[in-house]
Amino acid sequence: EVQLVESGGGLVKPGGSLRLSCAASGFTFSSYTMNWVRQAPGQGLEWVSSITSFSNYIYYGDSVKGRFTISRDNAKNSLYLQMDSLRGEDTAVYYCARKRLNSRALDPWGQGTLVTVSS
Amino acid sequence: NFMLTQPQSVSESPGKTVSISCTGSSGSIASNYVQWYQQRPGSAPIIVISENNQRPSGVPDRFSGSIDSSSNSASLTISGLKTEDEADYYCQSYDSSNHNVVFGGGTKLTVL
Repeated sequence: EVQLVESGGGLVKPGGSLRLSCAASGFTFSSYTMNWVRQAPGQGLEWVSSITSFSNYIYYGDSVKGRFTISRDNAKNSLYLQMDSLRGEDTAVYYCARKRLNSRALDPWGQGTLVTVSS
Repeated sequence: NFMLTQPQSVSESPGKTVSISCTGSSGSIASNYVQWYQQRPGSAPIIVISENNQRPSGVPDRFSGSIDSSSNSASLTISGLKTEDEADYYCQSYDSSNHNVVFGGGTKLTVL
């Protein structure tokens, strides 16, 4: 069964840092582009970042560029998001999502991990 | 930057048909391909339509997607509405100028 499990969320003060992880199983992780998508409380989905299978290409949304860093370890079947200089508006549930092969679709998604930025 | 616009909410009765629109701000929405996701409260999104009109396995054939190039918009149509279809629906595509993933603002579907 294809599964994505996020971890690392929690409460952090403004200006602080946090590292999220996404553990993948049930598929050949190194073959897929992976994404982080977030959802602020009561709000819609916002794409954060994507990374291709061997980290050749990395993209970020404007709101996190220069503060967040996406990375992956194919040997550990894991995706990461290093979040620095956190702000209140970064408070959200963070999902990792796999991009389907030969498709534009994100499928499946993990269950999400909550990040709260507050003093 | 490329943007997708959806209505905030729609409502319809069980057994009826409803359509949710998603309008692209520029370019050709069809060539960038549109996906649709369903998100029930407290759950992660799941794909219901990919590549404009492809229905993944396991998604009921009551769900369909279409493109109207004249208005640069996509639509998700759900027929034979069930109370379990009540959820938020998001369209998604790509900004080809910067390879960014783009989501619409989401539409809350109420089945009453």
